[in-house]
Amino acid sequence: QVQLPQWGAGLLKPSETLSLTCAVYGGSFSGYYWTWIRQPPGKGLEWIGEINESGTTNYNPSLKSRVTISVDTSKIQFSLKLNSVTAADTAVYYCSRFGAAGTGFDSWGQGTLVTVSS
Amino acid sequence: SYELTQPPSVSVSPGQTARITCSGDALPKQYAYWYQQKPGQAPVLVIYKDSERPSGIPERFSGSSSGTTVTLTISGAQAEDEADYYCQSADSSDTYVVFGGGTKLTVL
Repeated sequence: QVQLPQWGAGLLKPSETLSLTCAVYGGSFSGYYWTWIRQPPGKGLEWIGEINESGTTNYNPSLKSRVTISVDTSKIQFSLKLNSVTAADTAVYYCSRFGAAGTGFDSWGQGTLVTVSS
Repeated sequence: SYELTQPPSVSVSPGQTARITCSGDALPKQYAYWYQQKPGQAPVLVIYKDSERPSGIPERFSGSSSGTTVTLTISGAQAEDEADYYCQSADSSDTYVVFGGGTKLTVL
């Protein structure tokens, strides 16, 4: 049973950089797209982007200019950086994995509430 | 940008069949996935590849696809099925993932 614990700063000021990390415990790192998804309070899910074990990334076009997703295969972790945050970036951020065989987002992190406020 | 459209809410009585639709132009060529989310919890995958059910998901959950619309069906809905449901797919070029706006299912 794979587990995806995640961590990072929960309170940011406008213009700062959001930084979150997700570890992968109990499962293979290959064969998946390692993904970040966010959910503003009371709203729906928004896909931020993904990375595979080779470091190939895809990003949401609406966030692409501010997002970097990276992977550390030695630590079996992947990370999210979102720069120049504003109040609109306030959300619960989830890490997840999507099976390359099309098995969906079958495991999720516990979620991290990130609040952007001056 | 590509969008998936879901009804904001669906209501059924316990034991009735709930159907939640999701529409998108790329659905004829891209698989759809469905997630259940209860308050304060991470989403849970209930259907993948249009109609496959992950292990541990009750048989009353099923999925189907027809043209540009996919449907999540909950046969004999129970009070515990009350939740938000999101469909998910990809754009026609398979370059990015998109979620529907979500449907709040009420069972009462």
